[in-house]
Amino acid sequence: QVQLVQSGAEVKKPGASVKLSCKASGFSFTAFYLHWVRQTPRQGLEWMGWISAATGVTYYAPRFQGSVTMTRDTSISTVYLELNSLRSDDTAVYYCARDWPGSQGRVFDYWGQGALVTVSS
Amino acid sequence: QSALTQPASVSGSPGQSITISCTGTSGDIGAYDYVSWYQQHPGKAPKLMIYNVTNRPSGISNRFSGSKSGNTASLTISGLQAEDEADYYCSSYRGGNPPVIFGGGTMLTVL
Repeated sequence: QVQLVQSGAEVKKPGASVKLSCKASGFSFTAFYLHWVRQTPRQGLEWMGWISAATGVTYYAPRFQGSVTMTRDTSISTVYLELNSLRSDDTAVYYCARDWPGSQGRVFDYWGQGALVTVSS
Repeated sequence: QSALTQPASVSGSPGQSITISCTGTSGDIGAYDYVSWYQQHPGKAPKLMIYNVTNRPSGISNRFSGSKSGNTASLTISGLQAEDEADYYCSSYRGGNPPVIFGGGTMLTVL
């Protein structure tokens, strides 16, 4: 069955970086786009960007451009989200989500379990 | 880009039907038939319930249905059950970047 298993919770200080992982199984990894979506009490769900698992091409939302990096390792069917220069308002649950085939960000059919990132001094 | 507007909460008794609205603009919901609905139980990941306004993924009960009129989409849950109690989020494709925006979420309480 399709699974997206994310790395665990992180606690970081302001200004630090963190790298989250999302391991895919149960489907052909390189046939899909993977997205990152974050959830905060204040902003709700926010789409951050996508990465093509096949090519590694990325596309970021303007508000996250320059502060996040998405990468993938096809040998282990894993995508990564690196968050840089963390601020307190980056405290959120970060989800990876699979793109419904061909939807190009219109629909997310499977989601990881989420990873809580807490940014606090 | 503003989030889509949903009521903060709705409630209903077991067996009843409820409808959750999701209001956008002529640039998102009004422009595209790409509205999705997600169910989220506390501490869990969102789960796709409806896509492309009216379509249910495999395995989703036909008690869940979606519709759209103008700039407003709706999710209707009929025959409410206790396990339907959750937060529900709408999303819409909007073109441009970001390509998708979400609603603020609606907490459904089954009385």
